[in-house]
Amino acid sequence: QKEVEQDPGPLSVPEGAIVSLNCTYSNSAFQYFMWYRQYSRKGPELLMYTYSSGNKEDGRFTAQVDKSSKYISLFIRDSQPSDSATYLCAMSVRTGRRALTFGSGTRLQVQP
Amino acid sequence: GAGVSQSPRYKVAKRGQDVALRCDPISGHVSLFWYQQALGQGPEFLTYFQNEAQLDKSGLPSDRFFAERPEGSVSTLKIQRTQQEDSAVYLCASSTQGNTEAFFGQGTRLTVV
Repeated sequence: QKEVEQDPGPLSVPEGAIVSLNCTYSNSAFQYFMWYRQYSRKGPELLMYTYSSGNKEDGRFTAQVDKSSKYISLFIRDSQPSDSATYLCAMSVRTGRRALTFGSGTRLQVQP
Repeated sequence: GAGVSQSPRYKVAKRGQDVALRCDPISGHVSLFWYQQALGQGPEFLTYFQNEAQLDKSGLPSDRFFAERPEGSVSTLKIQRTQQEDSAVYLCASSTQGNTEAFFGQGTRLTVV
């Protein structure tokens, strides 16, 4: 079983819909939680970063972390066709090794 | 340049051939990471440098994989005697020391035939 599990999708929604993307994880040592967006044939770009539990909002994006359930979410409001991409969750532990452990990514398609 | 630059963008290698992949991090970025991304998967950690020191190479899948960053700037990932299972996108990322935000390059897509 992978340390980080993510539904691969694809997830298809109409423009303007609220999108919910989720990851579960098994390693309770994870402290830092991130969401990356990856367009086809591009490198990942950081969307949201959260430390420990709680919510964080940035424009149309809201990240939630529930450490008790080992569950993180990304919500996208008023989704746009330009949001069509693969969304990767990523996590790291608070040690000298600052590498990220990624989920497998969820492919999102927003239909105009 | 403004971002992380990787070259070549695409590489086709015959099985058994050696390849070298280059990463030019953002100027001044102390930390440099290499990741391997198989088709339909998330990136998987390979190795981590802080300046010229390779502090973590636990993700390198075999001794055919070797990475270096001799002057603490440009890094090279070398794969010897390539195998078909090495086909993947190799991503490089860099960040400032103490900053958790890593900026990724566009990757090198390696195909071993």
